[in-house]
Amino acid sequence: DSGVTQTPKHLITATGQRVTLRCSPRSGDLSVYWYQQSLDQGLQFLIQYYNGEERAKGNILERFSAQQFPDLHSELNLSSLELGDSALYFCASSPGVGPGAPLHFGNGTRLTVT
Amino acid sequence: DAKTTQPPSMDCAEGRAANLPCNHSTISGNEYVYWYRQIHSQGPQYIIHGLKNNETNEMASLIITEDRKSSTLILPHATLRDTAVYYCSPKVGTYKYIFGTGTRLKVLA
Repeated sequence: DSGVTQTPKHLITATGQRVTLRCSPRSGDLSVYWYQQSLDQGLQFLIQYYNGEERAKGNILERFSAQQFPDLHSELNLSSLELGDSALYFCASSPGVGPGAPLHFGNGTRLTVT
Repeated sequence: DAKTTQPPSMDCAEGRAANLPCNHSTISGNEYVYWYRQIHSQGPQYIIHGLKNNETNEMASLIITEDRKSSTLILPHATLRDTAVYYCSPKVGTYKYIFGTGTRLKVLA
């Protein structure tokens, strides 16, 4: 158990809809990362927050947004969903931004857009 | 950004050492390399990381070349439970970890 909690585990929705994925980082971790993994693909970095502030952005679509709240949990919002958004979405956390800090991943949310 | 190159797949006999290479020739001098593995569709699991020196922990060993352009993850005695996709992941700058497509390791009985 990595200590990172993601909810829900599975989500099925229709095209055009909007969903929210939630992540609770490990206790004490200040950084939260979001990754997208499409079928048989690698992990694509979406966005990263540190202590409530956005610090790095990857290949995140304009239809997607995220935030980190004062209690350090984070939400990833996906809107105007398309079939191609079907994927596993992982959240990871780390203590901070130090060079020796590995990521600890949750078990992901599997999003299916029909 | 740093990029990684890993072989798409490898087989290893159970009980033998599995040596998983990664090329990260664009890595900068102060960027760590991390290794993770992903079993089925679970969240990736951290294995080991290093900067310049070789590292060993209870899971694996990491050999980094002197020029830091490549590294090798060694699982000394592979078991069936080590069947997974293995990712090497350089940390770029302060905030970004780069993942490639990984190596699918199959441990054969």
